[in-house]
Amino acid sequence: EIVMTQSPATLSVSPGERATLSCRASQSVNSNLAWYQQKPGQAPRLLIFGASTRATGLPARFSGRGSGTEFTLSISSLQSEDFAVYYCQQYNNWPRTFGQGTNVEIK
Amino acid sequence: QVQLVESGGGVVQPGRSLRLSCAASGFTFSSCDMNWVRQAPGKGLEWVAVISYDGSAKYYADSVKGRFTISRDNSKNTLYLQMNSLRAEDTAVYYCARDQGDPVIPLDYWGQGTLVTVSS
Repeated sequence: EIVMTQSPATLSVSPGERATLSCRASQSVNSNLAWYQQKPGQAPRLLIFGASTRATGLPARFSGRGSGTEFTLSISSLQSEDFAVYYCQQYNNWPRTFGQGTNVEIK
Repeated sequence: QVQLVESGGGVVQPGRSLRLSCAASGFTFSSCDMNWVRQAPGKGLEWVAVISYDGSAKYYADSVKGRFTISRDNSKNTLYLQMNSLRAEDTAVYYCARDQGDPVIPLDYWGQGTLVTVSS
């Protein structure tokens, strides 16, 4: 199975600053990469699919880049509601696999 | 609006069985592939299984293959997960989530989850 590795595990950022999260696949997943956000006690929410396409209603401060094995999620100016855990997931191969998550916390 | 509501979770002894359900509404259920994803307490997300829109194709995570069975009843707009030979490591919140479209938009809507606790 494809192993997804996210870094860093925890990212401490001040409100208004930029955050950049990384996700690496153990083999190419083309552009079949999604990002999800999860807040405590809530179900995950789809943010990005196709590596760079924003889900409906997602603010433009969220952007995704990459293809093959290297991907990034950037949040240009962190708002209070953006502090959460972020997961990448590949859907190029079965079984689908998630990264272990990046916790974006308030600095 | 799209709604996915899971049910059937609870406390079960190791080795026993449990069946989860996910009632769907607000969209054409019979047109969408459906997934189960789980999350152990304090841990990350683990994809469990998927079933195609018509039930003809199913895929499973290695960790549940041979023990779990995903199925659906399009006449009832309901997704199921039959879990047999349960183990302590199956303890988790189980979410159902849909895939939409072709090319696929993965896991674009999720239910609120149902907790399964495997313990003696």
